[in-house]
Amino acid sequence: SYVLAQPPSVSVAPGETARIACGGNNFGTKSVHWYQQKPGQAPVLVIYYDSDRPSGIPERFSGSKSGNTATLTISRVEAGDEADYYCQVWDSSRDHRGVFGTGTKVTVL
Amino acid sequence: QVQLVESGGGLVKPGGSLRLSCTTSGFTFSDYYMNWIRQAPGKGLEWVSYISTSGSYTKYTDSVKGRFTISRDNAKTSLYLQMNGLRAEDTAVYYCARVLSGSDEPPSDYWGQGTLVTVSS
Repeated sequence: SYVLAQPPSVSVAPGETARIACGGNNFGTKSVHWYQQKPGQAPVLVIYYDSDRPSGIPERFSGSKSGNTATLTISRVEAGDEADYYCQVWDSSRDHRGVFGTGTKVTVL
Repeated sequence: QVQLVESGGGLVKPGGSLRLSCTTSGFTFSDYYMNWIRQAPGKGLEWVSYISTSGSYTKYTDSVKGRFTISRDNAKTSLYLQMNGLRAEDTAVYYCARVLSGSDEPPSDYWGQGTLVTVSS
């Protein structure tokens, strides 16, 4: 089955930049979406179609993709950004099924 | 505003059945594909199933195929997940999520708060 690999954790000081990687095969042909999930809450879409930002999401959140790696970047990190972050794609090789990354816990020091 | 509210979760014995509902408001339900996504305790997100706008097209993750059935009632703006033959590994919070329309690889742009399903004897 299609696998999306993410680092288990990323630690960052307030005001610094956090970068979360998501790796998979044939990323060049796929759209990558990113979700933020705070403890006890439902996930929230923060980046879609690799780099688009939904309304209401701060400009500090940005997305990019190069080769087989997508990256979620959080600039000027705030305490409120502490959460789990998941990437997601659709696996068209398996008849179009959803796939989530393993998730990354962002800790604000 | 867009709202999705799941219900129907609870404790069920292995082999038992449960029907989850997702009641929606604030958007034209019949215009959107819908997803069910689950999260086992302390684990990551897992896509479970999606359904097309009319309900004629559905997909499932392999582990639930043949046991779970997704359906919708556009008149009632509601989504359902019938779960049969439940196993301990189906224990999770189940989220319904709206699929953003407009492409073949869309995100889930709105999520409900989830309903907990616990499968245990």
